[in-house]
Amino acid sequence: DTGVSQNPRHKITKRGQNVTFRCDPISEHNRLYWYRQTLGQGPEFLTYFQNEAQLEKSRLLSDRFSAERPKGSFSTLEIQRTEQGDSAMYLCATTGRADNEQFFGPGTRLTVL
Amino acid sequence: DQQVKQNSPSLSVQEGRISILNCDYTNSMFDYFLWYKKYPAEGPTFLISISSIKDKNEDGRFTVFLNKSAKHLSLHIVPSQPGDSAVYFCAASERKDLYNTDKLIFGTGTRLQVFP
Repeated sequence: DTGVSQNPRHKITKRGQNVTFRCDPISEHNRLYWYRQTLGQGPEFLTYFQNEAQLEKSRLLSDRFSAERPKGSFSTLEIQRTEQGDSAMYLCATTGRADNEQFFGPGTRLTVL
Repeated sequence: DQQVKQNSPSLSVQEGRISILNCDYTNSMFDYFLWYKKYPAEGPTFLISISSIKDKNEDGRFTVFLNKSAKHLSLHIVPSQPGDSAVYFCAASERKDLYNTDKLIFGTGTRLQVFP
C-alpha cells in the first residue's frame, strides 16, 4: 500500500495526558498537511509543511499542539495536556504538486475522557 | 466565518437517477475547487476538481460545474449507484496565498443516500 498512513488509528486518553500521532506520506510528496475534523464539520486546516519546513500554522493550533517533520519524511503531531475539546479525527494529507489534489490518510480518532 | 458552504446536510436519490450536490463560497480569491467523498472511519477520498479558468470538468459519472459570478459549484453524479452513498465535501483553495500553502477550506458536507 503506497497511500498515506497514520498511526494509531484510534487513541483514548485521559484529560491532561500527552498524545502523539504519526503520519507517513506517499513517498516523494514534499507537501504535508494536518487537518482536524469534529462531528458534523468538514476538516479544518491545522498546519502545513513543505519538506521539513513548517510554513503555516492555523490559529486553531494552540501552544499545546506541536508538529514536526524531521528530514522531510514522516510527520508527528503532539498534543500536550489534552482537553476534552481536543476529541476529534486528526487527518494527514500530502501532495507532490502545488495545484493538485491532496491525498488523505485514514485519520487518527482521538477521544479524551 | 464559513467561507465554503454546503447548505443541504443530506440528499436522498433513487438508484439510476441524477444526484446534484451544491456548494457556495464567499472568498473571491479561491481559484481551485475539489470534491471529496468520505465513508465513516476513513479519510476523505478525492473525486474531481476544477480550476477557476474552467466552468466544467467531467470524469466518468462525475461532473463538476463552476459558476464564478454566482460563487457556486455543483457536483453531478449520473447515474447514481448505491455505492455512492457517503458524505461529500466541497473544498477550495487559493493558488498563491501568503505562504503558498494551498490549504483546503472545506464545507460541512452533504450526506448522500442512494436507494434501490
